[in-house]
Amino acid sequence: QITLKESGPALVKPTQTLTLTCTFSGFSLTTSGVGVGWIRQSPGQALEWLALIYWDDDKRYSPSLRSRLTITKDTSRNQVVLTMTNMDLVDTGTYYCVHEIYSDSCFDSWGPGTRVTVSS
Amino acid sequence: DIQMTQSPSSLSASVGDRVTITCRASQSINSYLVGSYLNWYQQKPGKAPYLLISATSRLQSGVPSRFSGSGSGTDFTLTISSLRPEDSATYFCQQSYTFPRTFGQGTKVEIK
Repeated sequence: QITLKESGPALVKPTQTLTLTCTFSGFSLTTSGVGVGWIRQSPGQALEWLALIYWDDDKRYSPSLRSRLTITKDTSRNQVVLTMTNMDLVDTGTYYCVHEIYSDSCFDSWGPGTRVTVSS
Repeated sequence: DIQMTQSPSSLSASVGDRVTITCRASQSINSYLVGSYLNWYQQKPGKAPYLLISATSRLQSGVPSRFSGSGSGTDFTLTISSLRPEDSATYFCQQSYTFPRTFGQGTKVEIK
C-alpha cells in the first residue's frame, strides 16, 4: 500500500523560503518509472502542478515557478523535498505530495496535504 | 501550456440522475501509444483529490462502475450514470500529455 505524507511549516513570512518534505512508503524511488511530485491548491481554487522528480533524477518544474522551485530526493530516507523561495501571500494554500508511474502518467496516490499560510 | 476547460463549473442534480461533465483541452492530448492522457479526480471537502479514471476511460480499482470516461483529441467527458449522495464532490480533469501537467478548474456536483 502506497502512503505519502507531507510535513513542513504551517506559517511562513513573505520573502522566506518554504521547505516541504514528503515521506513515503510502499514503493521505492529507485524503481524504474516511479515519480513523486507536488501539487498545490489555493483556498477555493483549482489544482496547480508544481514539480516532479523521477527515479532517474529527471526533474520537471512548472515554468511559471521554475525560478523559485527546487525538488530533490533522498532514496535512503524515502523522502522528496520541495523548496520554494521568496514566498508571497498568493502562495498560501494546501500542498500535496503525489505518486506517479511514468507509463500511466496519472497521480494515483496523494498525501493528505499540508496547509501553508504566508503572512507577516 | 495546455489549458483545460471544464463545464459546467457547478451543477445540482437529484439522486439517480445521469450527470455529465465536459473537459476540453486547448490542443490535442492524444498519443498513439495509450490513447489520450486525460485523467479524472474526485475531491471532497477537506480531503485530497482521488484518482477515478486514467487514460480517458480506465476505471481505477475500487471506483464504482457508475463512473465512466470517454473522449479523444481535445474533448472528454466524465459520466455518472446514476448519481448517489456520496458523489457530492468537486471533479477535476487533468492532462498528462506534456509538461507542465495542467488541471481543469473543477466542477462542483451537488445533490438536490
